[in-house]
Amino acid sequence: QQQVKQSPQSLIVQKGGISIINCAYENTAFDYFPWYQQFPGKGPALLIAIRPDVSEKKEGRFTISFNKSAKQFSLHIMDSQPGDSATYFCAPTGAGSYQLTFGKGTKLSVIP
Amino acid sequence: DAGITQSPRYKITETGRQVTLMCHQTWSHSYMFWYRQDLGHGLRLIYYSAAADITDKGEVPDGYVVSRSKTENFPLTLESATRSQTSVYFCASSSKGPSYEQYFGPGTRLTVT
Repeated sequence: QQQVKQSPQSLIVQKGGISIINCAYENTAFDYFPWYQQFPGKGPALLIAIRPDVSEKKEGRFTISFNKSAKQFSLHIMDSQPGDSATYFCAPTGAGSYQLTFGKGTKLSVIP
Repeated sequence: DAGITQSPRYKITETGRQVTLMCHQTWSHSYMFWYRQDLGHGLRLIYYSAAADITDKGEVPDGYVVSRSKTENFPLTLESATRSQTSVYFCASSSKGPSYEQYFGPGTRLTVT
């Protein structure tokens, strides 16, 4: 059973454009919705996360939008830069589990 | 240095050999995790530990053994390595509390020939 579906698998965006990555989940017990960023040769690192009591959270150029009824959340990267080129993972969890359920990742390439 | 470290960073071994990957964290985090990362599969949880002497299986535990005698260390052993265990292995840790954030090590690239 695939609990988390992430799309698209890969994304190419022009510098200055908007990157959008989506994550759909099935487990209604999830109550923590993070996005992790991974650069080549490095471990993943938390980028931004949201709790279900808000529908949107913004940190700089990065925004999470959360739709509880649709069981989806998305990452928006405004004014995308070549330095944002990385693989992004959604990894929801909850109910005191401490186990993250990773999506399969989206490889973002921002071209000049 | 504070943080989470893994050793070795690169390892080549032969089929059938025993291999141990080390993970050490300096934060005294309660939770520690081992993942493997393969193209097309993202990160898959192998084993995790909620505290010293408490471990549990994740999604893909077959062929792996873990132990956690001290809070700061969480070694992963491949008892008899197989080619299908060629992968990049990540260790992570997390504190007990309202934040579920996991802090990842730099990874170990393991090749089984």
